[in-house]
Amino acid sequence: DAGVTQSPTHLIKTRGQHVTLRCSPISGHKSVSWYQQVLGQGPQFIFQYYEKEERGRGNFPDRFSARQFPNYSSELNVNALLLGDSALYLCASSLGDSGANVLTFGAGSRLTVL
Amino acid sequence: DAKTTQPPSMDCAEGRAANLPCNHSTISGNEYVYWYRQIHSQGPQYIIHGLKNNETNEMASLIITEDRKSSTLILPHATLRDTAVYYCIVRPYTGANSKLTFGKGITLSVRP
Repeated sequence: DAGVTQSPTHLIKTRGQHVTLRCSPISGHKSVSWYQQVLGQGPQFIFQYYEKEERGRGNFPDRFSARQFPNYSSELNVNALLLGDSALYLCASSLGDSGANVLTFGAGSRLTVL
Repeated sequence: DAKTTQPPSMDCAEGRAANLPCNHSTISGNEYVYWYRQIHSQGPQYIIHGLKNNETNEMASLIITEDRKSSTLILPHATLRDTAVYYCIVRPYTGANSKLTFGKGITLSVRP
């Protein structure tokens, strides 16, 4: 069975540009979460979606937005990119949205902002 | 903020048991203890989780103290491929916001 898939795997943008990252959850998983990991730190929570509704939002500016589609896939959008947005962006999926559900992570999308 | 405290690093010899400690003295009754690991440049990998009782799976064992204020992850026979950053996380099991709050983790180095 396919795991959590993310695209693109690597991308380079310049300051001020916009980026869209995509995530396909494990089949049957209805919850998707997004995390940002900058070099040398642990992942930081950005968003959680369950059944197409936002269930949680981390301490990130409004430049960050996300949505979940009817097939449970998800997009993370970042506007007006800053150098500090350079990071590994991780998507995780789970069956449900409670803490009893194990999150399975994808390999991530590595964003470099120049 | 992370609610767990882990030493920054440790090492062990290949084939030996690796015992990774974690303090979570402010854990609530409705919070699980989760362990994930991250091998360089890959996504975090789930290892094990528990609430009160000790747990074991094909990867590791999780020992939680009776007062639940600390736990130990045990890799029974460490291999070179177990070299990674290991994260101990407390996570509520109720409520809609079930995010994982990662700290800095502990870097485990397995030596030949």
